Amino acid sequence: GAVVSQHPSRVICKSGTSVKIECRSLDFQATTMFWYRQFPKQSLMLMATSNEGSKATYEQGVEKDKFLINHASLTLSTLTVTSAHPEDSSFYICSASVGSRSYNEQFFGPGTRLTVL
Amino acid sequence: DAKTTQPNSMESNEEEPVHLPCNHSTISGTDYIHWYRQLPSQGPEYVIHGLTSNVNNRMASLAIAEDRKSSTLILHRATLRDAAVYYCILKSYVAGGTSYGKLTFGQGTILTVHP
Repeated sequence: GAVVSQHPSRVICKSGTSVKIECRSLDFQATTMFWYRQFPKQSLMLMATSNEGSKATYEQGVEKDKFLINHASLTLSTLTVTSAHPEDSSFYICSASVGSRSYNEQFFGPGTRLTVL
Repeated sequence: DAKTTQPNSMESNEEEPVHLPCNHSTISGTDYIHWYRQLPSQGPEYVIHGLTSNVNNRMASLAIAEDRKSSTLILHRATLRDAAVYYCILKSYVAGGTSYGKLTFGQGTILTVHP
């Protein structure tokens, strides 16, 4: 299957700093990318959907000014956690799809574990 | 989005078949049934998907009930590497809608495989 990479795989930062996470589709062009967050022992929660060249669509309850998403090209999307706090510590996972129809599978990245001290 | 119901956990022995059930009684005619799995500390991995007919691929088989209100993911010979959380997800396609292609993850089934 298609490969999606994330960088970094793990990051530790101090409270109040901003952290950028990159998501890349390595061997295909992703028309749509998704960002998820997963707390320990819980399921994945969709944060936002982004289409190349347009603004991201955030899920209800997700602060768009805190979680900045940029989808500048068909192979790269970034998530910036601004002014991170300990409660933002989580496992952040991106996925990419070559289409948005219901039968298109999503390819997931390996995840980024964020720890805010 | 229509919901799915899965058992919280299941156990299997290595080399034996595993049948993971999923109920989706409110499925609509345009919902595809997707299965993903997540190994510990990794992102989810696509397993299989289908609409009406049973499907087979190198990883698993998907058996879909005639009324589409339930489905079963079949791992023909479980290995220790199959131990994961398995998610059954209905994926909707709403033309121009905000639920465009979204996957809504439930709690899934934790599969334990014993050697």
